[in-house]
Amino acid sequence: SQKIEQNSEALNIQEGKTATLTCNYTNYSPAYLQWYRQDPGRGPVFLLLIRENEKEKRKERLKVTFDTTLKQSLFHITASQPADSATYLCALDFSSASKIIFGSGTRLSIRP
Amino acid sequence: IAGITQAPTSQILAAGRRMTLRCTQDMRHNAMYWYRQDLGLGLRLIHYSNTAGTTGKGEVPDGYSVSRANTDDFPLTLASAVPSQTSVYFCASSESSSGSVDEQFFGPGTRLTVL
Repeated sequence: SQKIEQNSEALNIQEGKTATLTCNYTNYSPAYLQWYRQDPGRGPVFLLLIRENEKEKRKERLKVTFDTTLKQSLFHITASQPADSATYLCALDFSSASKIIFGSGTRLSIRP
Repeated sequence: IAGITQAPTSQILAAGRRMTLRCTQDMRHNAMYWYRQDLGLGLRLIHYSNTAGTTGKGEVPDGYSVSRANTDDFPLTLASAVPSQTSVYFCASSESSSGSVDEQFFGPGTRLTVL
């Protein structure tokens, strides 16, 4: 069955640095991949979507890459700020009846 | 605009009791979803509905049922709650019903504890 792995449970970096989060998947490649942000006690909020035929997508300080050869997506936050501290989830669509599959998330902490 | 509302916010329930979690959206989205979120396991899809009048099973449907009588409401029922159903439940919706590229909008969640 399809598996999604996000690089680590937690990532702690200094304010101003670039945070890089990893999402790896096994087996067949999805049609598209999404990234969500989740704050404690709240529901996930959509950030970015990238399609299988796109290499890179940007939105303000966010950048997502999608490498179907490596079966990996990287999520970058440049010039990170303490307000970026949250859990980030990747989600993959395999165009199956069970819709999209979420990774377990990476908890990002940005220290001042 | 409220988006998606869920009720109750939290609930403690005795095992064996029946419980319905409510979900309402005001965006006129076609598709709706129920997920449970457990520590270390991420979000897992329980049931979904592509459009009013239709439902489908997700990854972990056992012990749960749903209905979609209209576009706005998508209640989730636990017929006889068990402790393993202790979790945080999220309802979500998306505009598309075809399973195509579409972001999901999530509700605030219901924290359910089954004793």
